[in-house]
Amino acid sequence: NAGVTQTPKFQVLKTGQSMTLQCAQDMNHNSMYWYRQDPGMGLRLIYYSASEGTTDKGEVPNGYNVSRLNKREFSLRLESAAPSQTSVYFCASRGSWQDPRAYEQYFGPGTRLTVT
Amino acid sequence: AQSVTQLDSQVPVFEEAPVELRCNYSSSVSVYLFWYVQYPNQGLQLLLKYLSGSTLVESINGFEAEFNKSQTSFHLRKPSVHISDTAEYFCAVGVPYSSASKIIFGSGTRLSIRP
Repeated sequence: NAGVTQTPKFQVLKTGQSMTLQCAQDMNHNSMYWYRQDPGMGLRLIYYSASEGTTDKGEVPNGYNVSRLNKREFSLRLESAAPSQTSVYFCASRGSWQDPRAYEQYFGPGTRLTVT
Repeated sequence: AQSVTQLDSQVPVFEEAPVELRCNYSSSVSVYLFWYVQYPNQGLQLLLKYLSGSTLVESINGFEAEFNKSQTSFHLRKPSVHISDTAEYFCAVGVPYSSASKIIFGSGTRLSIRP
């Protein structure tokens, strides 16, 4: 049981390049999330998917797109990277409210992205 | 809407000293409250949570937090810290059974332990 996995662990992009961050969970969770973490700002929600087939904007969605490929996978795409998107990106998942541990979000190890 | 305020961005303490990390929240509805911990170069892990019932909740490694509804606070305490407690701690709030399923995080408090 790997939990939440993310690839890649590190990435350096030039301004204007595109890339996709991959996230997968093997806990049969309905909800998945993408956050960015910046010093002094905590975690800010970019996009989330409450269930397979649905996605919604979070607090800071501009410059990003997401795809909930299936119940396991939730990818984050940067179409044209900007230096302001330099950050650490975390994926998380959570079970349904019927799940005994529904309140807990499980986090991946993160992707450190630098845009030059 | 909900929000979380962590009053201290950094807290330095000596090993074996007590520590309190402060957290206040605002919400017009009942909420769940959480503390997550992030060790260096890792993702976040749930430390403890308040869902309902007893207002004092404990973790397996000696931390405790008390839900105070009148003061809208959920401060985290430990009577004696260890070097291994060095980490960043995040307070968070969630609305049970909300369709949005979101958790709102505070800005974090970095706990540094001096020997």
